[in-house]
Amino acid sequence: DQQVKQNSPSLSVQEGRISILNCDYTNSMFDYFLWYKKYPAEGPTFLISISSIKDKNEDGRFTVFLNKSAKHLSLHIVPSQPGDSAVYFCAAKGGGSNYKLTFGKGTLLTVNP
Amino acid sequence: DAGVIQSPRHEVTEMGQEVTLRCKPISGHDYLFWYRQTMMRGLELLIYFNNNVPIDDSGMPEDRFSAKMPNASFSTLKIQPSEPRDSAVYFCASSLAPTGYGYTFGSGTRLTVV
Repeated sequence: DQQVKQNSPSLSVQEGRISILNCDYTNSMFDYFLWYKKYPAEGPTFLISISSIKDKNEDGRFTVFLNKSAKHLSLHIVPSQPGDSAVYFCAAKGGGSNYKLTFGKGTLLTVNP
Repeated sequence: DAGVIQSPRHEVTEMGQEVTLRCKPISGHDYLFWYRQTMMRGLELLIYFNNNVPIDDSGMPEDRFSAKMPNASFSTLKIQPSEPRDSAVYFCASSLAPTGYGYTFGSGTRLTVV
């Protein structure tokens, strides 16, 4: 039973354009959502997060949107750069004092020069 | 800070052998997590500790797997006996609660059981 789903295994965009990565979840108890970026042979690196009480969080070129009614979040990268090419994982934290993160399977983003 | 340090980076072992993976969390972090990444299942939590005490080990696949955290600066994940299906990348991560800012992951140990 996959509680966090990233339905697109891969995404290819042109440099300078917008990248939109999507994530769906099923557990309404999740209270924090996070995006991680992973390069080959490295561990995932924290990118941006959003609390379940917010609907948007922005950090430079990265914006995360949360739609609680649809149980959907998305990561927007504008403008996309070749160095953004990596696997992006969506993750959700269990509610309250549960610090377990549940991860999606990831989306491979390729930004073409 | 050197970040979360895992060793070894790569491990190749024969089926039936004991394997021990090691992790040094970031100093001051009071949560430590062990994750396993496979193509089929993605990143799945095996176990996590708070202040050296195991909190949730429901992800440990079976009795062949065990994890310890004898002190705040060291943890081990042991597989005995190892099987080919244990081949995966094992990540250790640490954090300060709350996790709104996420965990810090190590670079992982790639385990191959032949």
